[in-house]
Amino acid sequence: DAKTTQPTSMDCAEGRAANLPCNHSTISGNEYVYWYRQIHSQGPQYIIHGLKNNETNEMASLIITEDRKSSTLILPHATLRDTAVYYCIVRVANSGNTPLVFGKGTRLSVIA
Amino acid sequence: EAGVVQSPRYKIIEKKQPVAFWCNPISGHNTLYWYLQNLGQGPELLIRYENEEAVDDSQLPKDRFSAERLKGVDSTLKIQPAELGDSAVYLCASSLSGAASTDTQYFGPGTRLTVL
Repeated sequence: DAKTTQPTSMDCAEGRAANLPCNHSTISGNEYVYWYRQIHSQGPQYIIHGLKNNETNEMASLIITEDRKSSTLILPHATLRDTAVYYCIVRVANSGNTPLVFGKGTRLSVIA
Repeated sequence: EAGVVQSPRYKIIEKKQPVAFWCNPISGHNTLYWYLQNLGQGPELLIRYENEEAVDDSQLPKDRFSAERLKGVDSTLKIQPAELGDSAVYLCASSLSGAASTDTQYFGPGTRLTVL
C-alpha cells in the first residue's frame, strides 16, 4: 500500500472546523483513502473513506484533490471529544480483509 | 449490538512469565485480527484469521507468541515467556468476510500489557 504523510500534531478551537491534511503522492488508481481515529485508551474507530469523489457522513467530510495525491479530513464543528490521533490510510480496492497499515497519525487537540 | 470485547483491559506481569489475551469479535464477523501497538506508534498486524484459519501470521514472532481461534469465533493470543519489549497495547479487530474493499474493521479497546 502507498505510504501517507501527516502532520504530527494540530490544535483546533472548540466549535471551529478541524482540517486534517494527508499526503499520499504515490497513491495508485485502485487505492482508497481511509480515515480512522483513536481516542485515548480506546481502539481505532472508522471515520470515512473515499476513492475519487468527496464524501460526507455524520462524522466528517473527506475532500480528495483531483490528482488524488492529497486529501483533507474535515470535522465541521470540533468538540472536546474529538481530541484523538487521526490516521490516514491508503488501501487497495477490492482487497477484502487485508489488514490496515497505520502510520503515526496526527494528534488533534481540541481546545476549549 | 456489542462491539469487539477484549479481556483483560490491563495486565502487569514479570518478565519470563506467560500471559494470555482473549477476544470476542462482533457476532457474524468471520475475520479476526490481532494488532500490536507500541507507545506513540500506529497499530501493526500480528495475525489475521479467516474463520479458524490463520491466513496471515508473517509478523507474529513465533518463538514466543501463539494464537488460536478454535471454533472460528473467540480468539486467544499468548506470549510465553514475556520479555520487557513486549510491553504494549494488544488490539483485536473483526470484520465481515468478503471481497469488498469497503469492509470496515471494528476494534476492541485493547489490552495494555506491562512487563516488569
